[in-house]
Amino acid sequence: KQEVTQIPAALSVPEGENLVLNCSFTDSAIYNLQWFRQDPGKGLTSLLLIQSSQREQTSGRLNASLDKSSGRSTLYIAASQPGDSATYLCAVSTDKLIFGTGTRLQVFP
Amino acid sequence: SQTIHQWPATLVQPVGSPLSLECTVEGTSNPNLYWYRQAAGRGLQLLFYSVGIGQISSEVPQNLSASRPQDRQFILSSKKLLLSDSGFYLCAWSIGSGIVYEQYFGPGTRLTVT
Repeated sequence: KQEVTQIPAALSVPEGENLVLNCSFTDSAIYNLQWFRQDPGKGLTSLLLIQSSQREQTSGRLNASLDKSSGRSTLYIAASQPGDSATYLCAVSTDKLIFGTGTRLQVFP
Repeated sequence: SQTIHQWPATLVQPVGSPLSLECTVEGTSNPNLYWYRQAAGRGLQLLFYSVGIGQISSEVPQNLSASRPQDRQFILSSKKLLLSDSGFYLCAWSIGSGIVYEQYFGPGTRLTVT
């Protein structure tokens, strides 16, 4: 059974810091991995999708990497801003999406 | 461009009452549709998914049901709500068959069962 874990559960950093969010999964037989952002009381916004054949994807200040063999993905956020404050979720897909419980990020001025 | 709508945005219902949540997608055809629930302090749980009109797959046995009466409409229902049905319900869509492609989520419905 696929299990997805995100560490840390919560993170508080000052504005401007570069930070890394971690996602690990137990079964490497995945089709892709997706990172989402969720603001309080809102739906999910897709940030990046990495196909199983890819190693990383970049969008602006965000960079996501995937190491299937070790069952790990990281989301790197450069020069963090208060507007980045949200919960970040990773999800791996087999025949369906399996979500982690998220990392709650707070960036303070 | 594609958009996904959910309503209502919030709902407070007593135990034992019926439920109907609606999700519609615009700007795409033949989407795969999904219902998720996000309970407090827990991850998203897939409840139902549909690959076409009238085709519903259930992931978790419970007192909820889903229907897809039209290509871009997905409805989540219950005849009698339980306290444990409280949560944040999210609808999502994707394009593709077999492999799960990138999913896009609606704004969600906050359900409180009292």
